[in-house]
This record gives sequence, C-alpha cells and structure tokens, in this order.
Amino acid sequence: DADVTQTPRNRITKTGKRIMLECSQTKGHDRMYWYRQDPGLGLRLIYYSFDVKDINKGEISDGYSVSRQAQAKFSLSLESAIPNQTALYFCATSDSKGGSYNEQFFGPGTRLTVL
Amino acid sequence: AQTVTQSQPEMSVQEAETVTLSCTYDTSESDYYLFWYKQPPSRQMILVIRQEAYKQQNATENRFSVNFQKAAKSFSLKISDSQLGDAAMYFCAFSTSGTYKYIFGTGTRLKVLA
Repeated sequence: DADVTQTPRNRITKTGKRIMLECSQTKGHDRMYWYRQDPGLGLRLIYYSFDVKDINKGEISDGYSVSRQAQAKFSLSLESAIPNQTALYFCATSDSKGGSYNEQFFGPGTRLTVL
Repeated sequence: AQTVTQSQPEMSVQEAETVTLSCTYDTSESDYYLFWYKQPPSRQMILVIRQEAYKQQNATENRFSVNFQKAAKSFSLKISDSQLGDAAMYFCAFSTSGTYKYIFGTGTRLKVLA
C-alpha cells in the first residue's frame, strides 16, 4: 500500500463549486504540505503544517484553505473554484525526526480541472 | 529570497549516452540541502539524489551523480548510460535546514531516444 495517498486522483468541476482534496499518510510523519504544479512553473507551495495545531501559508495560498484533521490527514479546500486553479496538486510529508535531509515524500497527485 | 533556476526546459539524449541537467540556485544561507526529483508520466515524484551543502563530496546513486559547485551555486545532475525509463520531467529542489520547505525549479523534460 502507498504511504501517502490522495483522493480523488482526478476531478473535473465547475466554476464556483467547493472542492476538497484529501491526503492521508501512514508514514507517521508530523509535517505535511500541499503543492500545485503548473506547466513551466514547477511545484509551488500552497500550505504546510508542522503538526496538527501548526498550519502556515505558503507562497500561493489565496483561494485555498486547509484542515489538519489528525496527524495523518491534511485536506485542501477550494471554497469557490475558478479555472486558473486547474492544476496538478500534490500532498507531501516529512519527518522532523528523520535526520538532516528534510526529505519529503509525495503522494500520487490529484489532477483538478475547473471548467 | 531563495530561487532555483533550471534553464533547460527540454533535453534529449541517445540511449546509453550521458546527459547533464543544469540547476542553479540563489541563497544567502550556508546550511541547506539540494535534491533532484524525477516525475515520469505516472506523475509520481521520485527522489533521485540528494546533497547536503556542507559535504564537498558529490553524491552518487548508481547511474546518477551530481556536480555540486557551492561557490557557483550550481547543482547539475549527470545521468550515465541513459535508459528509456529515464525519460521524465526532472525537478531540482532546494531546502534550508531551518524552514523545511522546498523551493522547486521549473523542471527539465528529458527525452531518451532509442
């Protein structure tokens, strides 16, 4: 079984709809991240959480919100989706006790299309 | 602010040949980490190789090696004996020891020609 899972894997929605992307991990990591990937722009950080009560904005948080329901679950919401939020979304985790590399482990991604 | 630049949007290499992907970064930090991730058509982000800035020795993982030039702020990836399965998007990423956040480059798409 995958260590970091994301649901759904693909989603098509309409402008104005509320969308939630979910991320779960079985790695026991305390840190979780949400990124979006756009062609030619690489991956950009939306939100990150260092534990259940510590949530921080990344470089492109406008239009998004998150919820850390438990150490293993981190959800990303688009309150009112717009077409320029069409992108590939990744969840990632890392372990604060995992040594000095800061290595992040990625989920399989969610392809979101907003019409 | 830290930045990561990958100046080659696309590269091609013949099977069994060697290719080098470029990455430069800008930071005022002295303690940081650098990574190369591979993203095949499956979309999964796969860690290829990593380097700690304080280590002068270049990291190597089988056919993958890096040329880390700290003074020049350069971190290139060399793939030897290229295989068809190496075809993917490659991302360079930077992280400082304090922030634990990644900053990614824009990626290089590698094509491997049979």
